[in-house]
Amino acid sequence: DQQVKQNSPSLSVQEGRISILNCDYTNSMFDYFLWYKKYPAEGPTFLISISSIKDKNEDGRFTVFLNKSAKHLSLHIVPSQPGDSAVYFCAAKRGGTSYGKLTFGQGTILTVHP
Amino acid sequence: DTEVTQTPKHLVMGMTNKKSLKCEQHMGHRAMYWYKQKAKKPPELMFVYSYEKLSINESVPSRFSPECPNSSLLNLHLHALQPEDSALYLCASSQEFEGYNEQFFGPGTRLTVL
Repeated sequence: DQQVKQNSPSLSVQEGRISILNCDYTNSMFDYFLWYKKYPAEGPTFLISISSIKDKNEDGRFTVFLNKSAKHLSLHIVPSQPGDSAVYFCAAKRGGTSYGKLTFGQGTILTVHP
Repeated sequence: DTEVTQTPKHLVMGMTNKKSLKCEQHMGHRAMYWYKQKAKKPPELMFVYSYEKLSINESVPSRFSPECPNSSLLNLHLHALQPEDSALYLCASSQEFEGYNEQFFGPGTRLTVL
């Protein structure tokens, strides 16, 4: 049972344009969501997070939007740069309880073309 | 210091060998994790240590043996591995296991079992 889903295996975007990566979840107990970026043969790098009391969090070029009623979140990267080309993982957890395990989506490969 | 370090970067071992992976963090984090990642898949949780005690073992085979000598160090002892255990092994840490805490990942150890 995949509780966190990233339905787009890949996304291709032109440099300077907006990249939008999507993530859906099924477990209504999740209340903390994170995005990680991963280059090949490296560990994931934490990008940005959002708790369920907010619907938007922004950090520089990265903005995460959360729609709790739709159980959907998205990561916007504006403007996209070639160095943003990587695999992006969405992850979720029950932050407000003692159960701290992260559940990851399958990842989306982002390619930003110069 | 906001880094999780892992050694070695690469490891090749035979099925009869015994080896160890090491992980270190100096962020004062009280939770540390071992993950396994196969190509094009998300990280899979193996073990969680919280305050130097094993909190979660995700039904990992006994040929993988974790150890937490102190709050900054985490080891993974390997013995009699199988070729299908070849993967990227990631260490991560977070302020606490519970709550709204992001996990920070190390660069990983690329393990090849012959």
